[in-house]
Amino acid sequence: ILNVEQSPQSLHVQEGDSTNFTCSFPSSNFYALHWYRWETAKSPEALFVMTLNGDEKKKGRISATLNTKEGYSYLYIKGSQPEDSATYLCAFPGTGGFKTIFGAGTRLFVKA
Amino acid sequence: DSGVTQTPKHLITATGQRVTLRCSPRSGDLSVYWYQQSLDQGLQFLIQYYNGEERAKGNILERFSAQQFPDLHSELNLSSLELGDSALYFCASSSTSPSAPETQYFGPGTRLLVL
Repeated sequence: ILNVEQSPQSLHVQEGDSTNFTCSFPSSNFYALHWYRWETAKSPEALFVMTLNGDEKKKGRISATLNTKEGYSYLYIKGSQPEDSATYLCAFPGTGGFKTIFGAGTRLFVKA
Repeated sequence: DSGVTQTPKHLITATGQRVTLRCSPRSGDLSVYWYQQSLDQGLQFLIQYYNGEERAKGNILERFSAQQFPDLHSELNLSSLELGDSALYFCASSSTSPSAPETQYFGPGTRLLVL
Protein backbone atom coordinates (compact mmCIF):
# COMPACT_ATOMS: atom_id res chain seq x y z
CA ILE A 1 0.00 0.00 0.00
CA LEU A 2 1.42 3.34 -1.03
CA ASN A 3 1.78 5.70 1.92
CA VAL A 4 2.26 9.41 1.35
CA GLU A 5 3.32 11.32 4.43
CA GLN A 6 3.55 15.05 4.91
CA SER A 7 5.32 16.94 7.64
CA PRO A 8 4.83 18.98 9.63
CA GLN A 9 1.06 18.72 10.14
CA SER A 10 0.86 22.43 10.74
CA LEU A 11 3.17 25.40 10.74
CA HIS A 12 2.82 28.92 12.14
CA VAL A 13 5.15 31.55 10.71
CA GLN A 14 5.44 35.31 10.66
CA GLU A 15 4.95 37.37 7.54
CA GLY A 16 8.24 37.53 5.68
CA ASP A 17 9.56 34.20 6.99
CA SER A 18 10.64 31.58 4.51
CA THR A 19 9.39 28.08 5.15
CA ASN A 20 9.43 24.60 3.75
CA PHE A 21 7.62 21.32 4.22
CA THR A 22 8.09 17.75 3.18
CA CYS A 23 6.23 15.06 1.30
CA SER A 24 7.66 11.55 1.77
CA PHE A 25 6.82 8.54 -0.32
CA PRO A 26 8.17 5.07 -1.13
CA SER A 27 10.92 5.55 -3.70
CA SER A 28 10.14 2.39 -5.65
CA ASN A 29 7.74 2.57 -8.62
CA PHE A 30 7.65 6.35 -8.64
CA TYR A 31 5.64 7.83 -11.47
CA ALA A 32 4.74 11.42 -10.59
CA LEU A 33 3.91 13.70 -7.69
CA HIS A 34 1.52 16.62 -7.55
CA TRP A 35 1.44 19.56 -5.17
CA TYR A 36 -1.86 21.32 -4.48
CA ARG A 37 -2.79 24.40 -2.49
CA TRP A 38 -6.09 24.30 -0.61
CA GLU A 39 -7.47 27.46 0.93
CA THR A 40 -10.22 27.29 3.52
CA ALA A 41 -13.70 27.19 1.98
CA LYS A 42 -12.27 26.70 -1.49
CA SER A 43 -11.20 23.74 -3.63
CA PRO A 44 -7.69 22.36 -4.01
CA GLU A 45 -5.74 24.09 -6.77
CA ALA A 46 -2.80 22.55 -8.60
CA LEU A 47 0.65 24.03 -8.00
CA PHE A 48 3.16 21.65 -9.56
CA VAL A 49 3.51 18.32 -11.32
CA MET A 50 6.85 16.70 -10.56
CA THR A 51 7.99 13.77 -12.65
CA LEU A 52 11.79 13.58 -12.91
CA ASN A 53 14.36 13.06 -10.20
CA GLY A 54 15.99 16.42 -9.56
CA ASP A 55 12.97 18.32 -10.89
CA GLU A 56 12.72 21.86 -9.58
CA LYS A 57 9.59 23.88 -10.30
CA LYS A 58 8.86 27.49 -9.39
CA LYS A 59 5.77 29.69 -9.35
CA GLY A 60 6.37 33.13 -7.92
CA ARG A 61 7.60 32.75 -4.34
CA ILE A 62 6.76 29.05 -4.21
CA SER A 63 9.09 26.35 -5.45
CA ALA A 64 9.34 22.58 -5.19
CA THR A 65 12.06 19.99 -5.56
CA LEU A 66 11.93 16.25 -6.07
CA ASN A 67 14.23 13.41 -5.02
CA THR A 68 12.80 10.12 -6.25
CA LYS A 69 15.80 8.05 -5.12
CA GLU A 70 15.30 8.93 -1.48
CA GLY A 71 11.56 9.40 -1.74
CA TYR A 72 10.81 13.01 -0.85
CA SER A 73 9.71 16.31 -2.27
CA TYR A 74 10.12 19.70 -0.62
CA LEU A 75 7.86 22.70 -1.05
CA TYR A 76 9.43 26.07 -0.27
CA ILE A 77 7.74 29.40 0.26
CA LYS A 78 10.01 32.44 0.26
CA GLY A 79 8.91 35.52 2.19
CA SER A 80 5.57 34.11 3.37
CA GLN A 81 2.54 36.38 3.12
CA PRO A 82 -0.80 36.05 4.94
CA GLU A 83 -2.43 35.05 1.64
CA ASP A 84 -0.15 31.98 1.58
CA SER A 85 -2.13 30.61 4.53
CA ALA A 86 -3.60 27.36 3.27
CA THR A 87 -3.20 23.60 3.40
CA TYR A 88 -0.57 22.26 1.04
CA LEU A 89 -1.21 18.76 -0.24
CA CYS A 90 0.96 16.36 -2.14
CA ALA A 91 -0.57 13.54 -4.13
CA PHE A 92 0.30 10.50 -6.16
CA PRO A 93 -1.92 10.70 -9.22
CA GLY A 94 -3.85 7.63 -10.21
CA THR A 95 -2.38 6.18 -13.35
CA GLY A 96 -2.95 2.90 -15.13
CA GLY A 97 -5.84 1.94 -12.91
CA PHE A 98 -4.25 2.89 -9.61
CA LYS A 99 -6.03 5.19 -7.21
CA THR A 100 -4.97 8.74 -6.47
CA ILE A 101 -3.50 9.07 -3.01
CA PHE A 102 -3.31 12.37 -1.18
CA GLY A 103 -1.16 13.12 1.82
CA ALA A 104 -2.87 14.58 4.90
CA GLY A 105 -1.41 18.00 4.11
CA THR A 106 0.59 20.67 5.89
CA ARG A 107 -1.53 23.51 7.21
CA LEU A 108 0.32 26.81 6.99
CA PHE A 109 -0.67 29.85 9.01
CA VAL A 110 1.07 33.12 8.18
CA LYS A 111 0.63 35.89 10.73
CA ALA A 112 0.81 39.50 9.60
CA ASP B 1 -12.88 29.02 -11.41
CA SER B 2 -11.57 25.58 -12.38
CA GLY B 3 -14.27 24.93 -14.97
CA VAL B 4 -15.59 21.92 -13.03
CA THR B 5 -19.13 22.34 -11.78
CA GLN B 6 -20.91 20.44 -9.05
CA THR B 7 -24.52 20.47 -7.97
CA PRO B 8 -26.03 20.90 -5.52
CA LYS B 9 -23.72 23.02 -3.34
CA HIS B 10 -25.43 21.91 -0.16
CA LEU B 11 -27.65 18.99 0.65
CA ILE B 12 -29.42 18.17 3.90
CA THR B 13 -31.15 14.85 4.21
CA ALA B 14 -32.11 12.17 6.71
CA THR B 15 -30.58 8.83 7.56
CA GLY B 16 -31.70 6.03 5.29
CA GLN B 17 -32.28 8.32 2.34
CA ARG B 18 -30.61 8.32 -1.07
CA VAL B 19 -29.04 11.31 -2.83
CA THR B 20 -27.37 11.98 -6.14
CA LEU B 21 -24.46 14.36 -6.58
CA ARG B 22 -23.68 15.66 -10.02
CA CYS B 23 -20.44 16.76 -11.63
CA SER B 24 -19.66 18.31 -15.00
CA PRO B 25 -15.96 18.15 -15.91
CA ARG B 26 -13.96 20.85 -17.66
CA SER B 27 -14.58 21.03 -21.37
CA GLY B 28 -12.50 18.34 -23.06
CA ASP B 29 -11.60 16.43 -19.90
CA LEU B 30 -12.36 12.73 -20.10
CA SER B 31 -11.42 11.67 -16.57
CA VAL B 32 -13.61 12.33 -13.55
CA TYR B 33 -12.64 11.61 -9.95
CA TRP B 34 -14.75 11.62 -6.78
CA TYR B 35 -13.37 12.38 -3.33
CA GLN B 36 -14.80 12.51 0.16
CA GLN B 37 -13.55 14.84 2.86
CA SER B 38 -15.00 14.10 6.28
CA LEU B 39 -14.49 16.29 9.34
CA ASP B 40 -10.79 16.49 10.23
CA GLN B 41 -9.94 13.96 7.54
CA GLY B 42 -7.94 14.41 4.37
CA LEU B 43 -9.14 13.83 0.86
CA GLN B 44 -10.18 10.22 0.41
CA PHE B 45 -10.28 8.96 -3.15
CA LEU B 46 -13.52 7.19 -3.99
CA ILE B 47 -13.54 6.36 -7.68
CA GLN B 48 -12.27 7.43 -11.11
CA TYR B 49 -13.96 7.23 -14.49
CA TYR B 50 -12.39 7.70 -17.89
CA ASN B 51 -14.60 8.25 -20.91
CA GLY B 52 -17.48 6.37 -19.36
CA GLU B 53 -15.51 3.45 -17.95
CA GLU B 54 -14.47 2.87 -14.35
CA ARG B 55 -10.67 3.14 -14.12
CA ALA B 56 -9.77 3.02 -10.45
CA LYS B 57 -11.57 2.36 -7.23
CA GLY B 58 -10.67 3.61 -3.81
CA ASN B 59 -12.38 3.39 -0.46
CA ILE B 60 -15.89 3.56 -1.83
CA LEU B 61 -18.60 1.92 0.22
CA GLU B 62 -20.95 -0.60 -1.37
CA ARG B 63 -23.83 1.78 -0.59
CA PHE B 64 -22.21 4.28 -2.95
CA SER B 65 -22.10 4.02 -6.70
CA ALA B 66 -21.08 6.26 -9.55
CA GLN B 67 -21.26 6.49 -13.29
CA GLN B 68 -20.04 8.66 -16.12
CA PHE B 69 -22.44 9.39 -18.93
CA PRO B 70 -21.79 9.77 -22.70
CA ASP B 71 -21.74 13.56 -22.33
CA LEU B 72 -18.96 12.96 -19.72
CA HIS B 73 -20.84 14.32 -16.73
CA SER B 74 -20.76 12.06 -13.71
CA GLU B 75 -23.09 11.25 -10.85
CA LEU B 76 -22.29 9.87 -7.43
CA ASN B 77 -25.19 8.04 -5.80
CA LEU B 78 -25.21 7.63 -2.04
CA SER B 79 -27.85 5.36 -0.57
CA SER B 80 -28.97 4.17 2.86
CA LEU B 81 -27.31 7.25 4.22
CA GLU B 82 -25.77 7.22 7.67
CA LEU B 83 -24.72 10.08 9.92
CA GLY B 84 -21.09 9.29 9.13
CA ASP B 85 -21.64 10.00 5.45
CA SER B 86 -21.85 13.70 6.24
CA ALA B 87 -18.90 15.19 4.41
CA LEU B 88 -17.73 17.42 1.62
CA TYR B 89 -17.73 15.56 -1.69
CA PHE B 90 -15.41 16.84 -4.40
CA CYS B 91 -15.35 16.02 -8.04
CA ALA B 92 -12.22 16.62 -10.10
CA SER B 93 -11.43 16.20 -13.77
CA SER B 94 -8.29 15.82 -15.82
CA SER B 95 -7.55 15.81 -19.48
CA THR B 96 -7.07 13.10 -21.98
CA SER B 97 -4.95 10.21 -20.88
CA PRO B 98 -5.76 7.88 -18.00
CA SER B 99 -2.12 6.80 -17.95
CA ALA B 100 -0.44 10.17 -17.64
CA PRO B 101 0.13 12.14 -14.41
CA GLU B 102 -2.38 14.80 -15.33
CA THR B 103 -3.24 17.65 -12.97
CA GLN B 104 -6.69 17.30 -11.48
CA TYR B 105 -8.99 20.31 -11.47
CA PHE B 106 -11.41 20.36 -8.58
CA GLY B 107 -15.00 21.50 -8.47
CA PRO B 108 -16.39 23.57 -5.59
CA GLY B 109 -17.72 20.52 -3.77
CA THR B 110 -21.09 19.41 -2.44
CA ARG B 111 -21.54 19.60 1.29
CA LEU B 112 -23.77 16.78 2.49
CA LEU B 113 -25.33 16.79 5.93
CA VAL B 114 -27.16 13.68 7.08
CA LEU B 115 -29.43 14.23 10.08
